[in-house]
Amino acid sequence: SQTIHQWPATLVQPVGSPLSLECTVEGTSNPNLYWYRQAAGRGLQLLFYSVGIGQISSEVPQNLSASRPQDRQFILSSKKLLLSDSGFYLCAWSVSDQPQHFGDGTRLSIL
Amino acid sequence: QKEVEQNSGPLSVPEGAIASLNCTYSDRGSQSFFWYRQYSGKSPELIMFIYSNGDKEDGRFTAQLNKASQYVSLLIRDSQPSDSATYLCAVKTSGTYKYIFGTGTRLKVLA
Repeated sequence: SQTIHQWPATLVQPVGSPLSLECTVEGTSNPNLYWYRQAAGRGLQLLFYSVGIGQISSEVPQNLSASRPQDRQFILSSKKLLLSDSGFYLCAWSVSDQPQHFGDGTRLSIL
Repeated sequence: QKEVEQNSGPLSVPEGAIASLNCTYSDRGSQSFFWYRQYSGKSPELIMFIYSNGDKEDGRFTAQLNKASQYVSLLIRDSQPSDSATYLCAVKTSGTYKYIFGTGTRLKVLA
């Protein structure tokens, strides 16, 4: 069966520090991969998605970036975090028109 | 702008009652429809998906799709306090990679 791993679960970072969040999927090949952010009490904001290795589509211009170095690995990065980057970050995978499946998320707090 | 709209709630129902959650979407090309449950502080969890007009039942849950009227609904029979959560509706158009999420309806089941 397919599983998705996302880490860390919780992260507290100072303003201006770098960020790296990682997501890996097991049990499927060539999945579509997604990064979302959810602010407290709000809906899901799509940040990036990838349909293959090295292919990244950005939905929201900001100081975040994403990379997909391997088929089942998706990384969200920032060189300098802003206060507004706080939120709940979710990685998800899907295949074709099938449902998306989410990781457990990373709660990021910026101080 | 493709949109998915949900009443934010809270929708309060007594234990044992039927909870009815509704969702409308703007893109007539939408082909795939999903319902997720999200407990506070947790990631979304898939409950149901439906692709064809009509009803689809799974245990206490029934998804209903009406493409002509562009709405999809979720019925929860015999509601339990453990069903208290935010329910997200998501829609996908075939041939695209993005899932469009509503902002969710908060359901409260009163014991």
